[in-house]
Amino acid sequence: NAGVTQTPKFQVLKTGQSMTLQCAQDMNHEYMSWYRQDPGMGLRLIHYSVGAGITDQGEVPNGYNVSRSTTEDFPLRLLSAAPSQTSVYFCASSMGSLPGQLFFGSGTQLSVL
Amino acid sequence: TQLLEQSPQFLSIQEGENLTVYCNSSSVFSSLQWYRQEPGEGPVLLVTVVTGGEVKKLKRLTFQFGDARKDSSLHITAAQPGDTGLYLCAGAYSGGSNYKLTFGKGTLLTVNP
Repeated sequence: NAGVTQTPKFQVLKTGQSMTLQCAQDMNHEYMSWYRQDPGMGLRLIHYSVGAGITDQGEVPNGYNVSRSTTEDFPLRLLSAAPSQTSVYFCASSMGSLPGQLFFGSGTQLSVL
Repeated sequence: TQLLEQSPQFLSIQEGENLTVYCNSSSVFSSLQWYRQEPGEGPVLLVTVVTGGEVKKLKRLTFQFGDARKDSSLHITAAQPGDTGLYLCAGAYSGGSNYKLTFGKGTLLTVNP
């Protein structure tokens, strides 16, 4: 039972570098989302998608890009990493619109130096 | 940006004690969820409440949704070390997007043996 799979688990970047955080789910969920979790700030929504080809911005979208070419995959791209993007990133999926259960991946811990 | 306030932020108790965690907002929720998160993992759904005044029980955990659907509480009876974790409330606001879930900052619970 894979559920939501995130890779990598840990990543260290230098300021200005780019990278893609991968997220895949095998539950045929239409809804997928990215959150970042920072101490004292809780979980904040970055981007979300309600189906292949459809994406929208969340609360903190600046500095991040997403695309949804398939139902299974929802990668998060950092085009030019900044220290302010140091955080733990979580991908989550749900069968449909809220209040459906969100299934979370185990997270990616990203440090930008 | 709608805010979801959780209290207390930290709670350290002895095994066998009871505790209550609160989640409050000035806005009305269409639904509210409680999650528990353990170190190094993503949050896991405990319960979803939808109806004002609703009470749900999950073993020693009791969840209540306020009559006006602006607040919720989580009560744990006879806490055990296995209850240790970060408890997060998350709400979908009435009249808002059905695809955006706002999280509180969480309550970090430690239950000492």
